[in-house]
Amino acid sequence: QKEVEQNSGPLSVPEGAIASLNCTYSDRVSQSFFWYRQYSGKSPELIMSIYSNGDKEDGRFTAQLNKASQYVSLLIRDSQPSDSATYLCAVKVPNAGKSTFGDGTTLTVKP
Amino acid sequence: GAVVSQHPSWVICKSGTSVKIECRSLDFQATTMFWYRQFPKQSLMLMATSNEGSKATYEQGVEKDKFLINHASLTLSTLTVTSAHPEDSSFYICSARTPLAGGPFTDTQYFGPGTRLTVL
Repeated sequence: QKEVEQNSGPLSVPEGAIASLNCTYSDRVSQSFFWYRQYSGKSPELIMSIYSNGDKEDGRFTAQLNKASQYVSLLIRDSQPSDSATYLCAVKVPNAGKSTFGDGTTLTVKP
Repeated sequence: GAVVSQHPSWVICKSGTSVKIECRSLDFQATTMFWYRQFPKQSLMLMATSNEGSKATYEQGVEKDKFLINHASLTLSTLTVTSAHPEDSSFYICSARTPLAGGPFTDTQYFGPGTRLTVL
């Protein structure tokens, strides 16, 4: 079992729809959770971080964390073609130097 | 957000030569930096973790004598690909970890723009 699992996709949604990206993790002591966006040929860009159970909203993005279920998700409202990218989930345990990354979910938003 | 730069953004070299890639944290001090490699349409692969003032920790399967890492200051880490061969052609990305941002567990990894290496 991978430490951080994501559906590889591709996930395809129409423009204006809500895109839902999911991630599960195996280490129960994880405390820090991140979503990165990676456009083709570019490096990952941090878009959200979340540390507490519940929802965290930033513009069209909402991160949701459920530590009991070891589950973190990213919702993108009013999806735009420019949101088409690979989304990486990253999880970090306290005092660990590095975050552990999932393999990413590729999202395509169709006009 | 924190800014990480990388230089060069791309490099083409002949087989057998060595290539150095620089990674800098521009607006914060990074005690820890990471080097990743990514082949087309594949996942990020962590190569090594670099701590300022100490030897880098390499992931299993990564040749430390081929990929030399130096983290001489809190804002600079370098990766040198020695005796590069065509199979080393890849996208190399560094990442720097910020200090805690006022709350527990808030240290965060930010990525540089990457260096595309092509070995002929």
